[in-house]
Amino acid sequence: KAGVTQTPRYLIKTRGQQVTLSCSPISGHRSVSWYQQTPGQGLQFLFEYFSETQRNKGNFPGRFSGRQFSNSRSEMNVSTLELGDSALYLCASSGRELIFNEQYFGPGTRLTVT
Amino acid sequence: SQELEQSPQSLIVQEGKNLTINCTSSKTLYGLYWYKQKYGEGLIFLMMLQKGGEEKSHEKITAKLDEKKQQSSLHITASQPSHAGIYLCGADLLNNAGNMLTFGGGTRLMVKP
Repeated sequence: KAGVTQTPRYLIKTRGQQVTLSCSPISGHRSVSWYQQTPGQGLQFLFEYFSETQRNKGNFPGRFSGRQFSNSRSEMNVSTLELGDSALYLCASSGRELIFNEQYFGPGTRLTVT
Repeated sequence: SQELEQSPQSLIVQEGKNLTINCTSSKTLYGLYWYKQKYGEGLIFLMMLQKGGEEKSHEKITAKLDEKKQQSSLHITASQPSHAGIYLCGADLLNNAGNMLTFGGGTRLMVKP
């Protein structure tokens, strides 16, 4: 089975712009979670989608949003970029509906905001 | 994250030595994951522990979950340079529907040949 893929792998944007990141989960997985990783804050949960519905949300401003499509692929969008949004954005997919599942991570998208 | 503390923050060991990394939660643990990350890359799933007292092993890595102490430990036996990386523990602290993990700050491991 192919793993979780994320595109693009690297991205450079300017303050004030918006960005869309994409995540394709492992085939058959219906849950996709997004995380932000920075040196200062570590790995923090953004949101999770399951069957096209946002099921959980972390403590991030409304500039961060996401969606999931019927094929389980997910996108996250960050509007009005700030320098502090520079980070490695990771998505993870999980295969089962139950509460505690194995989550598999993609390689991440490294976003640099200048 | 202060909810999940890892210790030590960094570790340098000589190849062949054993080592232990700890992950302690300030809240009830409903499940715990261990991941390994190479710098700037994605997380590699190592193990998942769900029940108190559960112990799992994969090759030379063993993880245990002590539900009463709200703590998990990751033990590497006879470390090798390939074990180098950042080890992260992640936990489900809410026991709600869905996949929402809180992560520790990570332990950076270096193995000297």
